[in-house]
Amino acid sequence: TQLLEQSPQFLSIQEGENLTVYCNSSSVFSSLQWYRQEPGEGPVLLVTVVTGGEVKKLKRLTFQFGDARKDSSLHITAAQPGDTGLYLCAGAYNFNKFYFGSGTKLNVKP
Amino acid sequence: EPEVTQTPSHQVTQMGQEVILRCVPISNHLYFYWYRQILGQKVEFLVSFYNNEISEKSEIFDDQFSVERPDGSNFTLKIRSTKLEDSAMYFCASSEVIGQETQYFGPGTRLLVL
Repeated sequence: TQLLEQSPQFLSIQEGENLTVYCNSSSVFSSLQWYRQEPGEGPVLLVTVVTGGEVKKLKRLTFQFGDARKDSSLHITAAQPGDTGLYLCAGAYNFNKFYFGSGTKLNVKP
Repeated sequence: EPEVTQTPSHQVTQMGQEVILRCVPISNHLYFYWYRQILGQKVEFLVSFYNNEISEKSEIFDDQFSVERPDGSNFTLKIRSTKLEDSAMYFCASSEVIGQETQYFGPGTRLLVL
């Protein structure tokens, strides 16, 4: 079974601070996606990374895919209260089967 | 902006009953997925579907589950004889290109089995 471990599970920080969320696996993934999920709603895709070592930026969010395509990180610069939410990573195995991490619940205090 | 839609938003059923959850994927998408999320737990992959057949399925997707694309727009998940542990949020997703591209998720159907 391919498992994705996300850390930390919970993160509470002050507005303006930086943070990094990690997603690790022992398996190689064909692609990896980061989502944000609000309570009672479906995950909303933030980014897909495909190539080992790839870095993608989305405003204050920076996503990196590990060289071996087994891990990824999400870095948020100068966090704002609007960033509060559940962040999920999901790895695609064989392009066809997806495994989600258990999520990082982020709380940004004003 | 195109979106995945799901009906119903909520479904309450008695244990042992059959339920059909419906999804309308984005119109030009070719790959379809069902996931479930038990309250407080991670999103779990159930099945992927392409070209009118199952591409991959997880260990959860046993004989009581089936999927179908009955017409050109709907994608359904049937649970034949519901159990208490089937209570969960069920999400449909679709993507234009497999794997590497965006999966768009629907808003989910909350299923409660009593």
